Amino acid sequence: DGGITQSPKYLFRKEGQNVTLSCEQNLNHDAMYWYRQDPGQGLRLIYYSQIVNDFQKGDIAEGYSVSREKKESFPLTVTSAQKNPTAFYLCASLPGLGYGYTFGSGTRLTVV
Amino acid sequence: GQNIDQPTEMTATEGAIVQINCTYQTSGFNGLFWYQQHAGEAPTFLSYNVLDGLEEKGRFSSFLSRSKGYSYLLLKELQMKDSASYLCAVRDNQAGTALIFGKGTTLSVSS
Repeated sequence: DGGITQSPKYLFRKEGQNVTLSCEQNLNHDAMYWYRQDPGQGLRLIYYSQIVNDFQKGDIAEGYSVSREKKESFPLTVTSAQKNPTAFYLCASLPGLGYGYTFGSGTRLTVV
Repeated sequence: GQNIDQPTEMTATEGAIVQINCTYQTSGFNGLFWYQQHAGEAPTFLSYNVLDGLEEKGRFSSFLSRSKGYSYLLLKELQMKDSASYLCAVRDNQAGTALIFGKGTTLSVSS
């Protein structure tokens, strides 16, 4: 079955460590997105990529980095520069302009 | 910039009808989406409006007025399983194909 896979579902890291969140899709979608969700904050856009080897900063890109070397993969690195990294991270892809996102199941990152 | 407002919380009873409003301000509007999100899960797509008017899909309907920057999601024959957060999201041409989300409305359905 086609879909978006985010792994792992839960991730724990020590403060000061970089961590990379995986997002893989087999839907053949060109555009992919990363969002962060905190309680009471809704979804906030971190980075998005419309096509391979190209990506754009969203509203809260500071402390994060991404790459898009393959159509299927859009990993997100949470660096030590991110001041408050504990959150629920959602990856999404878009089949076309007249459609809604397909979301992955999310990764809940806890930094201790 | 963009601004999306929706009520924080709403309550309703089983079998009732509830309307969740969303107002938005964008410079390059190109579509409005509604998503449902149960606690701890990813959002699921409910509806898409790009032209003015009402889109009906089973128990759920969504309305858009572009001139007023206003949308609502109408849920009929409420069921306990409809207890969730409902997210309004707008596509703004300045953000490419990315969606900008409101903070969500938490709906609690009681028996």
